[in-house]
Amino acid sequence: GESVGLHLPTLSVQEGDNSIINCAYSNSASDYFIWYKQESGKGPQFIIDIRSNMDKRQGQRVTVLLNKTVKHLSLQIAATQPGDSAVYFCADPNQAGTALIFGKGTTLSVSS
Amino acid sequence: NAGVTQTPKFQVLKTGQSMTLQCAQDMNHNSMYWYRQDPGMGLRLIYYSASEGTTDKGEVPNGYNVSRLNKREFSLRLESAAPSQTSVYFCASSGLDIRSYEQYFGPGTRLTVT
Repeated sequence: GESVGLHLPTLSVQEGDNSIINCAYSNSASDYFIWYKQESGKGPQFIIDIRSNMDKRQGQRVTVLLNKTVKHLSLQIAATQPGDSAVYFCADPNQAGTALIFGKGTTLSVSS
Repeated sequence: NAGVTQTPKFQVLKTGQSMTLQCAQDMNHNSMYWYRQDPGMGLRLIYYSASEGTTDKGEVPNGYNVSRLNKREFSLRLESAAPSQTSVYFCASSGLDIRSYEQYFGPGTRLTVT
């Protein structure tokens, strides 16, 4: 089916640590994935995306890895800061390519 | 450039009442979406509009209607509110390129139905 999900609902890290948030997807035909960050009381905000012809993509302090063999992607946040505390969602397009399907989210808590 | 705006920010309804949630975007986007977000459920698509004049059902359309008033505005209507519709509602928009799925979200409407 066309669903995405995350392995862990919560992740707690210390400030300065690297964080890894995981996501598994079921649709082997998915060719595009997005990570969103949602801070408390706000709408989701785009972080980074990756197309299926790539294995890795880097942004500012964030890296997304895509493993198509096991249908898994991860979001790595380097030197995690308290401002990174939020819920993180992965998403991919529905089969018609007309909308995004979101996973349930991982809540990242960063303690200083 | 305000992005995606939603009104109201908060609303309390009694069971059976009706209301319309308003959404507008100023980015000249073709596609607009309505999602609901419940604790532990992530975002679920209610309806979407790929272009002005078209609307399609998403994952959870029952109990809702939508209107794509023009390219900028996409409203969501609850004709007879039920407690199960207590949720946070997000409107989003995205651009013309179908392979560019980045969606821009509004701040949300927190709806409580008693």
